[in-house]
Amino acid sequence: DIQMTQSPSSMSASLGDRVTITCRASQDIGNYLSWFQQKPGKSPRRMIYGATNLAAGVPSRFSGSRSGSDYFLTISSLESEDMAIYYCLQSIQYTYTFGAGTKLELK
Amino acid sequence: EVQLQQSGPELQRPGASVKLSCKASGYTFTEYYMYWVKQRPKQSLELIGRIDPEDGSNDYVEKFKNKATLTADTSSNTAYMQLSSLTSEDTATYFCARQGGYHVMDAWGQGASVTVSS
Repeated sequence: DIQMTQSPSSMSASLGDRVTITCRASQDIGNYLSWFQQKPGKSPRRMIYGATNLAAGVPSRFSGSRSGSDYFLTISSLESEDMAIYYCLQSIQYTYTFGAGTKLELK
Repeated sequence: EVQLQQSGPELQRPGASVKLSCKASGYTFTEYYMYWVKQRPKQSLELIGRIDPEDGSNDYVEKFKNKATLTADTSSNTAYMQLSSLTSEDTATYFCARQGGYHVMDAWGQGASVTVSS
């Protein structure tokens, strides 16, 4: 099975900060990497798919990128509504696997 | 608007079974796979399996093969997941989610809480 190593597990940042979360794949997954946002008591929300594609309705301050087997979710200027847990997901090889999550908190 | 409406919370005894539902609307039910995802309290997400509503074929993650049974009723646009022989390890929130591009879940139900307790 493909393992997804997500880092950091938690982080705190200030409003307006640039924030980057990383997922590393244990095998080649091409661009089959997506990012989800989950707020307390809510369902996950797809933010990025295909490594770099912004999902409909997602603010443009969110972006996805890739360098080799490392995948990045970047928030260019943090807003209070971005406080949540973020998960990556590889979907190239069934069964798909999620990262362990990154909890983003306000400093 | 795509909507997935899940059934309500369940409290079950150890050893019992439970059947969760997920009613789809706003799209053609048979054109998209439906996934089921487990989330234990304060834990990450875990894929259980998927079903093709068009023909009822399904795939399960190995660890859930003897735990979950996925079905779909095209007459009511509803997907179901039955969990059997419940234990405390099955206490979790269960989500249904539609497959979109890149095999990614692009719409989610609101989640159904299952609590297993004697």
